[in-house]
Amino acid sequence: EPEVTQTPSHQVTQMGQEVILRCVPISNHLYFYWYRQILGQKVEFLVSFYNNEISEKSEIFDDQFSVERPDGSNFTLKIRSTKLEDSAMYFCASSEEKSYNEQFFGPGTRLTVL
Amino acid sequence: AQSVTQLDSQVPVFEEAPVELRCNYSSSVSVYLFWYVQYPNQGLQLLLKYLSGSTLVKGINGFEAEFNKSQTSFHLRKPSVHISDTAEYFCAVTTYSSASKIIFGSGTRLSIRP
Repeated sequence: EPEVTQTPSHQVTQMGQEVILRCVPISNHLYFYWYRQILGQKVEFLVSFYNNEISEKSEIFDDQFSVERPDGSNFTLKIRSTKLEDSAMYFCASSEEKSYNEQFFGPGTRLTVL
Repeated sequence: AQSVTQLDSQVPVFEEAPVELRCNYSSSVSVYLFWYVQYPNQGLQLLLKYLSGSTLVKGINGFEAEFNKSQTSFHLRKPSVHISDTAEYFCAVTTYSSASKIIFGSGTRLSIRP
């Protein structure tokens, strides 16, 4: 069964460093998403991406964040200068169409900023 | 704006007992509703969804949920739980106008006692 994969599973970085979280969505999906879950809190929407551009983003997704689909298979989330409060589990998701059809989630990347 | 409230952060039940996980939503427009399950150290998996039509929705693993528009609720039920149902359950909502993102509730941790 096709699935969304994410690498790495755990990333530890120093405050101020840049990190890139990687995702491989399901191959025939067209919509891509990033969510995050700070420990003990809700899963929060960050950004959605379609047709090589951002279709929607939340207030959390400020200038420190960017997304890219560098090739036909990967979808990345970059945080330019990490802050302590960026520590969270980051989930990638993909869907064939808009989210009222199923979004398939990856297993997540746990980002720890020291 | 939409919001989701899960009234119980934790629900302990005995194996083979019935369970109901409560969810209420708030929205000024029509919504699509979801329940996701997160097993330990895994990503989010869709249990079931309500888009339109019958208000009783059946999902995987014997779960079902009922959409109640007048009470703005979408409670999840299972008549007899199993140890393997131990997980975190998230109620979520999206709308047609903003079907790019899913808004999640804070989650309910279901723990099954033998």
